[in-house]
Amino acid sequence: EDQVTQSPEALRLQEGESSSLNCSYTVSGLRGLFWYRQDPGKGPEFLFTLYSAGEEKEKERLKATLTKKESFLHITAPKPEDSATYLCAVMDSNYQLIWGAGTKLIIKP
Amino acid sequence: DTEVTQTPKHLVMGMTNKKSLKCEQHMGHRAMYWYKQKAKKPPELMFVYSYEKLSINESVPSRFSPECPNSSLLNLHLHALQPEDSALYLCASSLGTGPYEQYFGPGTRLTVT
Repeated sequence: EDQVTQSPEALRLQEGESSSLNCSYTVSGLRGLFWYRQDPGKGPEFLFTLYSAGEEKEKERLKATLTKKESFLHITAPKPEDSATYLCAVMDSNYQLIWGAGTKLIIKP
Repeated sequence: DTEVTQTPKHLVMGMTNKKSLKCEQHMGHRAMYWYKQKAKKPPELMFVYSYEKLSINESVPSRFSPECPNSSLLNLHLHALQPEDSALYLCASSLGTGPYEQYFGPGTRLTVT
């Protein structure tokens, strides 16, 4: 069965303390992996799309990487405004989007 | 411009009311989606429209009725809802139903009393 698991569920960091969020998946025929950021009470904001193992994308303090089994979202020197829930979603061979439960990131000043 | 707009932002309705949620995008996207999201859960797909035709209905109760008047607009008509239908309702759009990122609107916070 297709499955997407994100870890940790929650992560508290000090401002400037770099870390990584994990998204592991088991899907039949990966079509793409998507990262989103969601602030409380708002819609998810698109961050990155990754299509194949070895691919990397960067945007400001965020960098997403992909292997055949998982993706990492690396956050370098985070700021309090990076606090949000980060969602990972994987598209399978039938173009169905399977969502992870999210990682709640809290950056303390 | 990657903006999807939704109205209203908040909606409180009784169980006997009829109301509608509206969504609009001007990115030329041909796929549009309705999602329901409960607190601390990921979005849950309800409906998919592709080229203005309903292509996926995820066994949603008939008290939710989608409509796509044209390629830029998507409505969700609500009737005789239950308190458990209270949630954040999200609209999204993408280039198509293939491996494309979806852009989400800000959502409508619905409370059913």
